[in-house]
Parts: sequence; C-alpha cells; structure tokens
Amino acid sequence: AQSVAQPEDQVNVAEGNPLTVKCTYSVSGNPYLFWYVQYPNRGLQFLLKYITGDNLVKGSYGFEAEFNKSQTSFHLKKPSALVSDSALYFCAVRDSDSNSGYALNFGKGTSLLVTP
Amino acid sequence: SAVISQKPSRDICQRGTSLTIQCQVDSQVTMMFWYRQQPGQSLTLIATANQGSEATYESGFVIDKFPISRPNLTFSTLTVSNMSPEDSSIYLCSLGEQGEGYTFGSGTRLTVV
Repeated sequence: AQSVAQPEDQVNVAEGNPLTVKCTYSVSGNPYLFWYVQYPNRGLQFLLKYITGDNLVKGSYGFEAEFNKSQTSFHLKKPSALVSDSALYFCAVRDSDSNSGYALNFGKGTSLLVTP
Repeated sequence: SAVISQKPSRDICQRGTSLTIQCQVDSQVTMMFWYRQQPGQSLTLIATANQGSEATYESGFVIDKFPISRPNLTFSTLTVSNMSPEDSSIYLCSLGEQGEGYTFGSGTRLTVV
C-alpha cells in the first residue's frame, strides 16, 4: 500500500521569508515523488519530481524539495516566498513497484498563504 | 511533455442526466488516469484506462456509474451517469509513463443541480 501525508492544512508565511510545505510518504518499494500546485479554478501544475539521483530536486518557480529516505519525507521549500505563490499544494507518490499500479496517490493538500 | 485538451471545462447539469468528458492528447500514451476532486478535497483516482483493455476501477467506483472509453492511444472519455448533486466535483484526466512526468488536463468542473 502507498500513502502520502501532508500534516498541515494551511501554511502562512510573510513575503520574502522562506517557506516549507511538509510531506511524508509510505510505499513498499522505492518512491517516485511529485509536487503539484493548484491555483483557484485552475488545473494541476507540475512543480517538481524525484525519481532517482540527487536528493535535492529543483523545480519550477524557484521551488525545490529534498528527498529524505530515512525520514520518508519530501518537503517542498522556497528560499523567498512571493504573494503569487499563494495556492493549494499537493504532494503525490507512486511506488516504483509496478504491482502497486502506475497512478499517483495524492496527499490532502496544503493551502499556502503568503502575506505582503 | 505531452499536452492534454480536456473538454468541457465546466458544466451545470440536471440530476438524472449524464455528462461525457473528453481528453485528447497530442501524442500517443499508454496509460491514462481519471481522477475526481470533490470540493475542498484531494484527488481521488477513479480508474486507469489503457488502450485495448477494460478500464480498471478503484474501490468505490463502478463502470455503470463512470463508464470509460479508450478507443486509441490519444483519446479517452469519462461519462458521469445518472448524476446526483453528490457528483459535483472537478474531474481530471492524467497521463503517466513509467513514473516519469504525469501531465494533467485542465479539469472539468461539474455542478449537478
């Protein structure tokens, strides 16, 4: 079985400050990990992914995430938040073992609010 | 990466009717997925649709309610049948190839009245 946990319903941060959106996962094999962002009345936009290789992954719009196998985490980070980063963020996982299926399993989402 | 065109973008439907949602991809893909996002909720997988085989449905979703068509490697439809207000959601199609990039359609916002 595979699952994703996003422990925070909402994260508030002041513009210019660093932000972190937390994600932990559970898979039986090796994880394929993803972050997506959803703006109001919009579809899902891909931010970044971890499949293999370097634990620090850099993605779109200045976001990055660090894969930590021992803590089974994949937290999303940005050094300096912008008001325009305010949106709903989803972490998703897929087990590398294809017997678990190929579809992504999503966390519940974290609403990020960046205040001026 | 592949581009998906999903239609309609939104619709308001009467209860008891059906709505068919289409996803057209600009390249051939093996795997397509259909998700539902209920208001204020996360994405829930409805089914996996591979060309040339029956769709595989997740627990809680049945073919009679959500029939899926996958006639070729660039196209799929999801029908929401005999709709009730509880079916009001955003429905999204997605592509995925062996754990690499998963692209999502822009979504169909369905309201059942």
